[in-house]
This record gives sequence, structure tokens and C-alpha cells, in this order.
Amino acid sequence: ETGVTQTPRHLVMGMTNKKSLKCEQHLGHNAMYWYKQSAKKPLELMFVYNFKEQTENNSVPSRFSPECPNSSHLFLHLHTLQPEDSALYLCASSQDRGREQYFGPGTRLTVT
Amino acid sequence: KQEVTQIPAALSVPEGENLVLNCSFTDSAIYNLQWFRQDPGKGLTSLLLIQSSQREQTSGRLNASLDKSSGRSTLYIAASQPGDSATYLCAVRMTTDSWGKLQFGAGTQVVVTP
Repeated sequence: ETGVTQTPRHLVMGMTNKKSLKCEQHLGHNAMYWYKQSAKKPLELMFVYNFKEQTENNSVPSRFSPECPNSSHLFLHLHTLQPEDSALYLCASSQDRGREQYFGPGTRLTVT
Repeated sequence: KQEVTQIPAALSVPEGENLVLNCSFTDSAIYNLQWFRQDPGKGLTSLLLIQSSQREQTSGRLNASLDKSSGRSTLYIAASQPGDSATYLCAVRMTTDSWGKLQFGAGTQVVVTP
């Protein structure tokens, strides 16, 4: 695997379910990001991790819980989501927070 | 508050024509600007990154210019091909940002017809 990978690529979950999204980067980068892309809205940054430490939470509801066990892996734990949380969730990484960001293919999430 | 705008929202051109995509931003205190391509339902592919001190960047048929004082960047794609059909996004990072936040425009959806 090369670049930034995300699993699963598609996910359908009920409002009472708990699920997790996974991101892995094979680029030796130190910073990782979660973005949300909703229909008809610009991409929104959710979380930033730098050297495994969360450096920013962009006012994201607590039903989204990130985890970064090491510099190569990033998770987004989901619970009691709402239908409006249906979106494409994109993971990105960069050498450090100031450098070019590389994106994964995304997870298409549908909340029913 | 930084606002990033991309006009037009959609564009259709015949194959072979040059593409001109516009990106404007309200706050000129940017650290860099990045252009991306997104295919339907897919992630983003980075095309070009321009630092605030640069005026342009080139990669193959792509050329991006930056006029920081007027708050504008333009992406030129020469001799367009059907494979160039995608949504093109620009994003800026502010000099005041310490944690790598990119602020995106809504994108321009491009269709190149054979």
C-alpha cells in the first residue's frame, strides 16, 4: 500500500450504532487530519494530530471521537450519529503542519 | 474571517480548449495556497502548492498563479482532455495558523467534452 488509505470505503449505520473509521498513511508523515465533506458545502477540517498529539478540535460534536495511536494511524470513532452526519469523511497527512497535505480516498458514510 | 470563493461553480469546454479556473480569498495574509482535483466520490489529489512568496507554479499542462495582494489565484490547464473532467478545489492556509488548517472553496466542476 502506498500513500494514504482509508477503510471502509462505504459505511451505512443506524443512529444507535457505534462504528470506527480507519486511516493509515505510508508516507512517513508526522501530521494527520480528519475532514468532512457534505453535499453542497466546502470541506471542513475536524481534527488535527501532530506527532500523535491532538492539536486542534474544530468545534466538532462529541459523538465524533478521534484516536491517534501512532504517527501512521488515525481513527474516527462514531456513536449516536444523526442523519445530517452523512458525508464523505476524508483523512489527510503531511510532513508537518505547514506542508502539503495528501488525502486518502475517503469513507462515504450514510446514517439512517 | 477568511472566505474562499471559486467562480464559476461549473464549467463545460470542448476538448483542446484551455481551462481557466479562478479562486479568490478575502484575507491576503496567507501562508500558502494549494490546488486539488477531486473525482466523483473520491478523495483529493494535490496538483500544485504555491507559497505566499511565489507568483506561480507549473507542472506539465498545469500552471497556477498567485496574486496575494489582490486575493486571487488562477489555475490554467492547457489543451484540455476528457480526463481532466473533475472538480477542482483551492485551499488556503493562513500565516496565523499554527496547526495546518486548510480553508477550502466550494470547487469548480469541470466537464471536458470530446
